[in-house]
Amino acid sequence: RKEVEQDPGPFNVPEGATVAFNCTYSNSASQSFFWYRQDCRKEPKLLMSVYSSGNEDGRFTAQLNRASQYISLLIRDSKLSDSATYLCVVLTGNQFYFGTGTSLTVIP
Amino acid sequence: DTGVSQDPRHKITKRGQNVTFRCDPISEHNRLYWYRQTLGQGPEFLTYFQNEAQLEKSRLLSDRFSAERPKGSFSTLEIQRTEQGDSAMYLCASGGRVGNTIYFGEGSWLTVV
Repeated sequence: RKEVEQDPGPFNVPEGATVAFNCTYSNSASQSFFWYRQDCRKEPKLLMSVYSSGNEDGRFTAQLNRASQYISLLIRDSKLSDSATYLCVVLTGNQFYFGTGTSLTVIP
Repeated sequence: DTGVSQDPRHKITKRGQNVTFRCDPISEHNRLYWYRQTLGQGPEFLTYFQNEAQLEKSRLLSDRFSAERPKGSFSTLEIQRTEQGDSAMYLCASGGRVGNTIYFGEGSWLTVV
């Protein structure tokens, strides 16, 4: 079983839409959680950390459910510039495990 | 620019040749990771250093791959006798305190022909 599983999409949404991505992880001992953003043929860049209480950064909201081993990312009021692949990342011990990524295209 | 630099950015090599990639992490970071990424996949863990010690290495990593971080600063990743299946982007990332996030370099693209 993979450490991190994501729906690969693609998600194609109109500008201004709200879109949600989900991710599950397999190891209950995982200690830290993140969302990274990756543009085509570029390196992954940290979007935000995910905390148990949930956290928000502008239009982005991340949630963590440890009981269900489930992480989510909500993007409100989508912009064209949000088009990218969103990677769910879990830290277990010393290793960061990446999902395969969810592709988002925001359409004018 | 995260402060992690990788060199070369692109490498085309013939099958069977050896290649070496270099990573210079953010100067105060003691953790360094190497990942490999192919199109449509997330980054796949290769190896992890804490200072100069190589603490973890992926079971998927064949004996043709070796990594070093001799003085706890820069790191090299060498691939011997390259195969076409080695074609990928090789990413280096560094991190500070354990549990904190990691920051990636721009990656080194390898094409084996």
